[in-house]
Amino acid sequence: EPEVTQTPSHQVTQMGQEVILRCVPISNHLYFYWYRQILGQKVEFLVSFYNNEISEKSEIFDDQFSVERPDGSNFTLKIRSTKLEDSAMYFCASKQTGNTEAFFGQGTRLTVV
Amino acid sequence: AQSVAQPEDQVNVAEGNPLTVKCTYSVSGNPYLFWYVQYPNRGLQFLLKYITGDNLVKGSYGFEAEFNKSQTSFHLKKPSALVSDSALYFCAVRGHYGGRQGNLIFGKGTKLSVKP
Repeated sequence: EPEVTQTPSHQVTQMGQEVILRCVPISNHLYFYWYRQILGQKVEFLVSFYNNEISEKSEIFDDQFSVERPDGSNFTLKIRSTKLEDSAMYFCASKQTGNTEAFFGQGTRLTVV
Repeated sequence: AQSVAQPEDQVNVAEGNPLTVKCTYSVSGNPYLFWYVQYPNRGLQFLLKYITGDNLVKGSYGFEAEFNKSQTSFHLKKPSALVSDSALYFCAVRGHYGGRQGNLIFGKGTKLSVKP
């Protein structure tokens, strides 16, 4: 069964450093998303991406965040200068069309120290 | 504003008993509703969805959910719980945004604990 894959599974970084979280969505999917889940809290939407551009973003997704689909398979989330409060599980998701369900990756646990 | 409420932080049931995990929603227009499950240290797995049609939706692992428009609810149910059903369950909603791609809005999650 096709799945969304995320790397790395766990990343530890120092405050102020840049991190790139990587995702390979399901190959025939057209819509891509990043969500995050701070420990013990709800899953929060960050950004959606369609047709090679951001289609929607939340207030969390400020200038420190960016997304890219550099080739036909990868979808990345970059945090330019990490803060302690960026520590969370980051989930990538993709879906085929507007009415289908999103499939989520296993997540990348980001720890900022 | 779109929102989802899961009123119970935790639901405890005995194995073999029926289970219900509650969800209510608030959206403008007709909602698209979803249930996802999260096992420890794992991602979110899709269980079932309601887009249109029958109010009773059947999904993976024997779960089902009933859409009730008048009560704005979408409760998750299973006739006979298994210990392996123990996990964190999230209800989510996607409203109609016209041209927008419709991100999911999640509830805070309900921890289901099934004891032998």
